[in-house]
This record gives sequence, C-alpha cells and structure tokens, in this order.
Amino acid sequence: SAVISQKPSRDICQRGTSLTIQCQVDSQVTMMFWYRQQPGQSLTLIATANQGSEATYESGFVIDKFPISRPNLTFSTLTVSNMSPEDSSIYLCSGGQAHGYTFGSGTRLTVV
Amino acid sequence: GIQVEQSPPDLILQEGANSTLRCNFSDSVNNLQWFHQNPWGQLINLFYIPSGTKQNGRLSATTVATERYSLLYISSSQTTDSGVYFCAVIPNTGTASKLTFGTGTRLQVTL
Repeated sequence: SAVISQKPSRDICQRGTSLTIQCQVDSQVTMMFWYRQQPGQSLTLIATANQGSEATYESGFVIDKFPISRPNLTFSTLTVSNMSPEDSSIYLCSGGQAHGYTFGSGTRLTVV
Repeated sequence: GIQVEQSPPDLILQEGANSTLRCNFSDSVNNLQWFHQNPWGQLINLFYIPSGTKQNGRLSATTVATERYSLLYISSSQTTDSGVYFCAVIPNTGTASKLTFGTGTRLQVTL
C-alpha cells in the first residue's frame, strides 16, 4: 500500500488567513482525495484531486474556498482559504488504488 | 447516494473482552475497508474486504456482500484498541472511485 506523508500535522491560524496542506505519496497513485473531519464527526469528502486538471468538488465545497493542486501522480495540496472558526477540523488526504486506499496522518487545524 | 450505518455508536469494554462491530450499507459495493482512527487522529487501514473473511492477529472481518453488511471482530481487547472504527465503501454503480464513510463506532477499552 502507498505511504502518504502529510504536513503540517497541526496548526493554529488567525481567522481570515489561508493555510496550505501538502501530501506526498511514496509511489504513483491513480486517485487522490481530500477529506474533512469536523469534531466528533465522520469523514466527509471535499474533492477528488485530478492530476493536471481542476479538482472535482463534492456538493457544498467550492474551489474558491478549497483550491486544490495536483501537479503529478505523487503530490497534492489543499488550501483552506479565508478561514473562520467553522473551518476548525482535521483535514486528511487519501490515495492509492481502488483495492485499498491509505490516508495521510492528518492536519489538525484550529482557527481562532 | 449510498448510506453506511455503523453500530453500536459507542462501546466501552474491559481489557480482555471481545466485541463485534457492524457496518450496514444500502447498495452493492466493490470496495469495503475498515479503518481505526487512533486518539491522535491518524487513520489506519485494517482490512480491504469487499467480500469474504480475513484475519489479522486479534482482528478479523467478514463481509456478506449479498446481504449488504460487514462485521469487525476484536478479540482480547487492549487499551491500544481504543479509538474510532470506521467502515468505508465504494458503491458498485457508475464510475465512482471515492470512499463513503460510515458513522463510526467509538470504542473505549478500560483496565
């Protein structure tokens, strides 16, 4: 299975600022995804990161708020823009093949 | 979209006890995975099990695809088993490749 390195592991940010989260996979993977986990909740898919093209966003998530890049098959970034306290969550990237996805260690974001 | 329900939502066990966690899904699937999220938030892949039975140490899982459920068995539980257990599926319809997560079971193992 792919091994995914995610950073930062945690951050405390001021409202109105932006944070970029990075994920590096140790091998080329077909699919990469970004999830949000609000406190005490399950994981919700934000978007599918498409290599070399615009990400595919789920209902309720927009590119202006969560721009995503995926320049190659091993790397992706998620930016949380113009943050508010409601954005305080764990953000996780995922990748692999459809017979078994793995996850990065997560970014615990607190917006104050 | 597909619905994924897990039960029980919360479980408290004494160390050494056994438990069974259940995952029901509303449509046929071609991928089902069980994950453990530890208290630090890290999500660990336990099993890829769209059908059949697998075992890994004290953990085992069974998926009955025709009846749309999966079970995760934890035997001789340890405090390190504490955390949240999620099942996640990819429906066997269309071209979607994204996992849909269940509601989770929060497990606490006490001494």
